[in-house]
Amino acid sequence: EVQLLESGGGLVQTGGSLRLSCVGSGFSFSISSLSWVRQTPGKGLEWISMISGGGEWTKYADSVKGRFTTSRDNSKNTLYLQMNSLRTEDTAIYYCAEEEHWGQGTLVTVSS
Amino acid sequence: QTVLTQPSSLSASPGASASLTCTLRSGINVGTYNIYWYQQKSGSPPQYLLTYNSDSDKHQGSGVPSRFSGSKDASANAGILLISGLQSEDEADYYCMIWHSDTWVFGGGTKLTVL
Repeated sequence: EVQLLESGGGLVQTGGSLRLSCVGSGFSFSISSLSWVRQTPGKGLEWISMISGGGEWTKYADSVKGRFTTSRDNSKNTLYLQMNSLRTEDTAIYYCAEEEHWGQGTLVTVSS
Repeated sequence: QTVLTQPSSLSASPGASASLTCTLRSGINVGTYNIYWYQQKSGSPPQYLLTYNSDSDKHQGSGVPSRFSGSKDASANAGILLISGLQSEDEADYYCMIWHSDTWVFGGGTKLTVL
């Protein structure tokens, strides 16, 4: 069974930092491109980042470019999202996902 | 201009069929994209339903009932999710997605009410 499990969410003040993790199992983690997608409570889905299976390339949405960094450690089957210079508008549930499988999400709340 | 447009809401009766549309922005040809569909129930993460490109190139998610199917309407430049034999458990938000410019792009979602 494919599983993706996020962790690391929480409450942080504006301008602060947070690192999210996502551990994958049940699939070929190291060859799978993975994305981070966020959802403001009650709103739609927003793709924010993607990383290739080997970590050779990353892509970001304009809304987070320069502030967020995606990386992975395939030896640990773990995906990361380093979030810096956080804004109130970054408050959302953050999901890690590959096309057919999504984690349960972790809530990030940025307070002023 | 929004890349993918979905109606914000749709209502249908139990046992009926519902057709959810995902219209691509002018200049982006639906014929060249795989359309992904996700279902999200309240308080849960999105669940993958299916991918549709053509009748010979489509993929159903594991365990997804066959009453969920995809198609395209080239004249409307839209992807379509058809749900037949609606059940109360189908009440959810539905999102379409495409890979566009090496990124994922989501539609705004359609809230399906079964009543």
